[in-house]
Amino acid sequence: KAGVTQTPRYLIKTRGQQVTLSCSPISGHRSVSWYQQTPGQGLQFLFEYFSETQRNKGNFPGRFSGRQFSNSRSEMNVSTLELGDSALYLCASSPGGREDGPQHFGDGTRLSIL
Amino acid sequence: KQEVTQIPAALSVPEGENLVLNCSFTDSAIYNLQWFRQDPGKGLTSLLLIQSSQREQTSGRLNASLDKSSGRSTLYIAASQPGDSATYLCAVTLVTGGFKTIFGAGTRLFVKA
Repeated sequence: KAGVTQTPRYLIKTRGQQVTLSCSPISGHRSVSWYQQTPGQGLQFLFEYFSETQRNKGNFPGRFSGRQFSNSRSEMNVSTLELGDSALYLCASSPGGREDGPQHFGDGTRLSIL
Repeated sequence: KQEVTQIPAALSVPEGENLVLNCSFTDSAIYNLQWFRQDPGKGLTSLLLIQSSQREQTSGRLNASLDKSSGRSTLYIAASQPGDSATYLCAVTLVTGGFKTIFGAGTRLFVKA
């Protein structure tokens, strides 16, 4: 069974630009969560999607948005990039139903803002 | 507001030693607790998942316990090996509409050969 796939692995952008990251969950998993990991703040929850609906979100500004498609693949978009957005962005998937299972993580997208 | 704390922040032990990593959380109304391992520059690997109704889980040399009433979990690693060197993260999942997972800052473990 293929794991969680995140693309691209590395990305370099400049301030003010926007970026879209992609996440393909494990087959059959309907819940996709996104996290930001930085040395100073650790792993912080961005949002969770289930069946194309955002069910939960963390404390990030509106520049951070996401969506989920009917095949459970998810994208995360960050607009008007700031230097502080440099981080490893991780995606995780799980079955998402009433009896949820462990979250499985991708290897992440490392975003660098110049 | 749920907060997750991991102690110690870093740990260095000789090969073969048994060790315990600690995780505490402030709100006992959790859905599950999960222990992860993260190698430098990589994503997270799930080690053990404990549902809120369970007390412990075991996998090979790893054993994790959960005490919701005291807001604590421990990860026990038996007969440590250099390959166990990594950062270990504890995460609690809440159900607030959907799922929301809060992570601790991690314990960086170094096992010396």
